[in-house]
Amino acid sequence: GQNIDQPTEMTATEGAIVQINCTYQTSGFNGLFWYQQHAGEAPTFLSYNVLDGLEEKGRFSSFLSRSKGYSYLLLKELQMKDSASYLCAVMDSNYQLIWGAGTKLIIKP
Amino acid sequence: GAVVSQHPSRVICKSGTSVKIECRSLDFQATTMFWYRQFPKQSLMLMATSNEGSKATYEQGVEKDKFLINHASLTLSTLTVTSAHPEDSSFYICSARAYRGQDEFSRGYTFGSGTRLTVV
Repeated sequence: GQNIDQPTEMTATEGAIVQINCTYQTSGFNGLFWYQQHAGEAPTFLSYNVLDGLEEKGRFSSFLSRSKGYSYLLLKELQMKDSASYLCAVMDSNYQLIWGAGTKLIIKP
Repeated sequence: GAVVSQHPSRVICKSGTSVKIECRSLDFQATTMFWYRQFPKQSLMLMATSNEGSKATYEQGVEKDKFLINHASLTLSTLTVTSAHPEDSSFYICSARAYRGQDEFSRGYTFGSGTRLTVV
């Protein structure tokens, strides 16, 4: 079966760095997405990785290793507004998105 | 950028009634729209894929007669929850891929703002 694993919850301090991991097992691979979702709101797109390596976008970076079925989202200089759930999603061989359950990130002052 | 407008944002209805949720792509043509349901603290669950001008494709376990999807134009898809029951209370979200061609996935999928349905 297809499976996306990510931690349920993480806590970090304002101004610090946090890494949210995602491992996946899917039938085929056409890219991995990271989304941010604030409570009661729809997800917003953060990043898309289809090749191995690190993609940096301001305070957020996303890494992919296809051979390991592994990705992480790195958030730097954490701000209180970064408190949200972070969803990892993989596009399989049929271009269907398989979603992880999300990681709730709690930022403390 | 690409925008998907979804409404209503919140709806409370009585058990046994029907509720229609609309999603419109405002500045692009969405030949395909995805409908998701999300229960509290759970992941997005794909309910169906809506294709303009053809029947929707439903995921296993989703009743097509209960969740009616119509995608009559390139900018509008609707989800109607028929004979709603309290267990249908959930957060419903639509999504579309706005871009085609090179690097189409690099901009991700655009989501509507979601509809919080409460059936009492």
